Amino acid sequence: GAVVSQHPSRVICKSGTSVKIECRSLDFQATTMFWYRQFPKQSLMLMATSNEGSKATYEQGVEKDKFLINHASLTLSTLTVTSAHPEDSSFYICSARQAGLGEQYFGPGTRLTVT
Amino acid sequence: QKEVEQDPGPLSVPEGAIVSLNCTYSNSAFQYFMWYRQYSRKGPELLMYTYSSGNKEDGRFTAQVDKSSKYISLFIRDSQPSDSATYLCAMSAAGNNRKLIWGLGTSLAVNP
Repeated sequence: GAVVSQHPSRVICKSGTSVKIECRSLDFQATTMFWYRQFPKQSLMLMATSNEGSKATYEQGVEKDKFLINHASLTLSTLTVTSAHPEDSSFYICSARQAGLGEQYFGPGTRLTVT
Repeated sequence: QKEVEQDPGPLSVPEGAIVSLNCTYSNSAFQYFMWYRQYSRKGPELLMYTYSSGNKEDGRFTAQVDKSSKYISLFIRDSQPSDSATYLCAMSAAGNNRKLIWGLGTSLAVNP
């Protein structure tokens, strides 16, 4: 149980294009989903928290117009990196949590490379 | 002072050894404590989850939480080469949008 999937696992795009990453909870309803990015050999950095049907809450320093988050259902959240630039290249990971529970379950991550 | 402190290592042990990993924290509001394992280029995998103080055992893994000392530990018995990974502690307070506060992670290598 508690499986979270992410798609795509890897994506390469050209500078200036937009990329959408999907995060799905496969066997539970995720009332809250989280998006992180991780640089090599560093810990996870929380980008934003989203609750189903509500606007996402972004962490300080994260541009909400650049990283668009949609949590349209209890099993799906999407992160769209708009007008991507090489400095956006990173490992993006989502996690999901059920209502009333403390633990988060993570997806396998998406490696984004912007050329 | 960071809210969560974790020695990044690296830690290298022989196969079969008992591994002890730990984190300290400063926020007394933390109530949920987790240990994650992360292999290179993969998402973190939840190993242990503890609410409030106490011990929890699952197979070769034991998690301990001492809220009075603000100290949590993860023990791995009979360590295997497949346990080689980065181990991250994470914790949070109560509340609907409670965020996980992460340690830096400890890199563990179990040598055959």
